[in-house]
Amino acid sequence: DAMVIQNPRYQVTQFGKPVTLSCSQTLNHNVMYWYQQKSSQAPKLLFHYYDKDFNNEADTPDNFQSRRPNTSFCFLDIRSPGLGDAAMYLCATSRDFRDDEQFFGPGTRLTVL
Amino acid sequence: GDSVTQMEGPVTLSEEAFLTINCTYTATGYPSLFWYVQYPGEGLQLLLKATKADDKGSNKGFEATYRKETTSFHLEKGSVQVSDSAVYFCALAPQGGSEKLVFGKGMKLTVNP
Repeated sequence: DAMVIQNPRYQVTQFGKPVTLSCSQTLNHNVMYWYQQKSSQAPKLLFHYYDKDFNNEADTPDNFQSRRPNTSFCFLDIRSPGLGDAAMYLCATSRDFRDDEQFFGPGTRLTVL
Repeated sequence: GDSVTQMEGPVTLSEEAFLTINCTYTATGYPSLFWYVQYPGEGLQLLLKATKADDKGSNKGFEATYRKETTSFHLEKGSVQVSDSAVYFCALAPQGGSEKLVFGKGMKLTVNP
């Protein structure tokens, strides 16, 4: 089945130690999104790619970076994780901006010790 | 700007009870409207959607009707099951594309046998 895959499902890192989260998709969608979801809150959009064009939300901290080396993969890099960055990180895709449905992966739960 | 307001809960129901989760929105034009469901420890799954006024979305016994006159998209199910225990998010995509999905705060539903 075509899908959005996130690895790992659970990630533990230490305060200040860089971490990378991975997302891949078999849907061949143009747009890929990264969301941060803290406990009992709605997902918050961090940034998205339309093909290779990167779009950062205005309030996304500089500590968060992203890479999209090809259509299928997108990475979220947290350069110096703080305790406040512990959250679920959700990857999503959509075919196009004219296509209004987003497909979500299962998420990566990040713990910062 | 665009916004979504929904019941926040948490709500606890007995199996076979009737469920209504209210959702109202503020947006220009004709946004697309969605209900996403998040089961414990998982990512978001699209439950149903409606893209124009008076459309009814339905899936797994859940229904919601796009009401332009009341700017609402209330979710209903006639008889809930234990397996419906999850967090439910109402969301909208602004007219013209899904670049920014706007989520409500989510409502946690627990269904007891």
